[in-house]
Amino acid sequence: NAGVTQTPKFRVLKTGQSMTLLCAQDMNHEYMYWYRQDPGMGLRLIHYSVGEGTTAKGEVPDGYNVSRLKKQNFLLGLESAAPSQTSVYFCASSSDRRPLHFGNGTRLTVT
Amino acid sequence: DAKTTQPPSMDCAEGRAANLPCNHSTISGNEYVYWYRQIHSQGPQYIIHGLKNNETNEMASLIITEDRKSSTLILPHATLRDTAVYYCIVRVVNSGNTPLVFGKGTRLSVIA
Repeated sequence: NAGVTQTPKFRVLKTGQSMTLLCAQDMNHEYMYWYRQDPGMGLRLIHYSVGEGTTAKGEVPDGYNVSRLKKQNFLLGLESAAPSQTSVYFCASSSDRRPLHFGNGTRLTVT
Repeated sequence: DAKTTQPPSMDCAEGRAANLPCNHSTISGNEYVYWYRQIHSQGPQYIIHGLKNNETNEMASLIITEDRKSSTLILPHATLRDTAVYYCIVRVVNSGNTPLVFGKGTRLSVIA
């Protein structure tokens, strides 16, 4: 039982490049979330999903898109990366009455 | 914005109890108090949660005041591995569509 798995673990992008971060969970959770964490800061919610095929905006959604085509996967896309998107990205999943389970993060640097 | 207030940092001697306070004066009747911690560079880890009764598990104890406006997380015998940022969060339990809102938490340093 792997829990929440994020790939890749590290990535360096040039400004303007695109990429997709993958989050996979094997706990059959309904809800999935993408957060970002900047140095010395708490986590800020980017987008989330309450079920397969549904997504919603969080606190800081600009510059990101998401998709939840399968219940176990939640993808975060950057269409045109900017240096301000340099951050650590955390994915989490949960179900009703259960705490969130987090992955170990993707460290993204945009130069 | 986060609905909780925590001190930015605390120190605790190894082997002693660590008592981390949290104020949540605007908590609603159907909101639970959750505690998570984040050890350097890792994803946050769930510790404990409660509604109004005190709770205890293998990691910690949670004491919630009778008026529910504040709570304290207790690590009974802190070790160096408990050094982390601790987040206190309020949330309606059956609310996957209202995600956790993280503040800046309390940075706990356990000192040998």
